[in-house]
Amino acid sequence: AQSVTQPDIHITVSEGASLELRCNYSYGATPYLFWYVQSPGQGLQLLLKYFSGDTLVQGIKGFEAEFKRSQSSFNLRKPSVHWSDAAEYFCAVGGHTGGGNKLTFGTGTQLKVEL
Amino acid sequence: DGGITQSPKYLFRKEGQNVTLSCEQNLNHDAMYWYRQDPGQGLRLIYYSQIVNDFQKGDIAEGYSVSREKKESFPLTVTSAQKNPTAFYLCASSIGGTGLAYNEQFFGPGTRLTVL
Repeated sequence: AQSVTQPDIHITVSEGASLELRCNYSYGATPYLFWYVQSPGQGLQLLLKYFSGDTLVQGIKGFEAEFKRSQSSFNLRKPSVHWSDAAEYFCAVGGHTGGGNKLTFGTGTQLKVEL
Repeated sequence: DGGITQSPKYLFRKEGQNVTLSCEQNLNHDAMYWYRQDPGQGLRLIYYSQIVNDFQKGDIAEGYSVSREKKESFPLTVTSAQKNPTAFYLCASSIGGTGLAYNEQFFGPGTRLTVL
C-alpha cells in the first residue's frame, strides 16, 4: 500500500529565510507526487507535481521540489519565505492500489512565519 | 468563474440525525471525491466517483453515503451510523479517466460539521 510521511508537524521560520519541508513516500512503482497548500479554513491548492523527467520541479509562488528516488523523498523548498506562506502543507502520492487509483495524503506540516 | 462550491460552510447536527453536504462543480470534470480532515490526520478518502451513476468506497466509507446522478453534483450524506462525524469535509474534482492517480485535484472550500 502507498503511504506518505511528513515528519515535521510544525515548522517556524523567519521571513526571508529559506524553507525545506520534508516528505517521504512508500510506493512500489514510479510514484506520482504532489504538494498542496491549505490556508486556514480553506480548501487545498496545488503547488506542484512530479510524474517523470526532470527530478527538480518548479511550482507556483516560488516553490520547488526535488524527487530523490534513492531516498524515497520529495522535499519542498523555497529560497526566501514570505509572511503570506504561513499555511499547512500536504504532500501526496498517487498510484493504483487494490481499490483503484487514488491519492494518499500525508498528515501535513504547519508552517509559521515570524516577521 | 469555474470552480467547486460546497455548502453550507458550517453545519450543526444533533446526534442521531442524518445530514447532507452539498458539492457542485462547473469544471466539467468526470471524477469527484469526498475527504474528511481531522487535526493531525491529513485527508482521508471517504468516497469517490469516476463517472455519473458510479462511485467507490474510499478508506473510511462506513457511516457515509453518496450519489452521483449528475456530472456536476456529488452530495455526501453523513448518517447516524457515523460514530464521530465532527470534522472538516472537503470535496474535490479532477478530469478523471483511467489516470485518476496523476490528475490534479481541485478542492472546494470545505464544510465544517459539528455534532452537538
